[in-house]
Amino acid sequence: AQKITQTQPGMFVQEKEAVTLDCTYDTSDPSYGLFWYKQPSSGEMIFLIYQGSYDQQNATEGRYSLNFQKARKSANLVISASQLGDSAMYFCAMREGGTGGYNKLIFGAGTRLAVHP
Amino acid sequence: EAGVTQSPTHLIKTRGQQATLRCSPISGHTSVYWYQQALGLGLQFLLWYDEGEERNRGNFPPRFSGRQFPNYSSELNVNALELEDSALYLCASTGQGRNTIYFGEGSWLTVV
Repeated sequence: AQKITQTQPGMFVQEKEAVTLDCTYDTSDPSYGLFWYKQPSSGEMIFLIYQGSYDQQNATEGRYSLNFQKARKSANLVISASQLGDSAMYFCAMREGGTGGYNKLIFGAGTRLAVHP
Repeated sequence: EAGVTQSPTHLIKTRGQQATLRCSPISGHTSVYWYQQALGLGLQFLLWYDEGEERNRGNFPPRFSGRQFPNYSSELNVNALELEDSALYLCASTGQGRNTIYFGEGSWLTVV
């Protein structure tokens, strides 16, 4: 069963505007973590932001914020003030289980973001 | 502080040969994940090592194997290489809490 769904294969945004990348997930485990990664054309996976299922506040890291809607099982990434360097592939990922759990990180199919000047 | 390091960066092998990829986790991290990313595709989970033990394995044939050493570095071995094994192989490490999982820059394997 699909655990992580990213419905937007590609997105376009104008420089300096905000963009939202969608991610929905499916789990019956009450304890889980959600991650977003950026993958430029060079191939490296860059960690952006983390949200724990028990976190009360939405995670923020600089220009990145995570719009966490637990009841809807969505964890959308919001990038504010887009820059040309934000053009990349973006992956949403989930790890089930608590910190002591032995569970793998599973990824969505990704969204390719293109920032236009 | 050094990040996750992977070697080699690029590797070209002939079909039927064996490939060995290496990963050094961030200092203090005891857990290592391996992923395969074929061209244009998403990340497929391969293996997870924690404290020297294999904790989980993805849906890959047995010719994909690995190990984790006492210093927590890890090795991925791919035997009897096939053309479709050509991919970017990514290693990630995490420590206690597992709230941050950092990736290396990957090893590009090309099988000809």
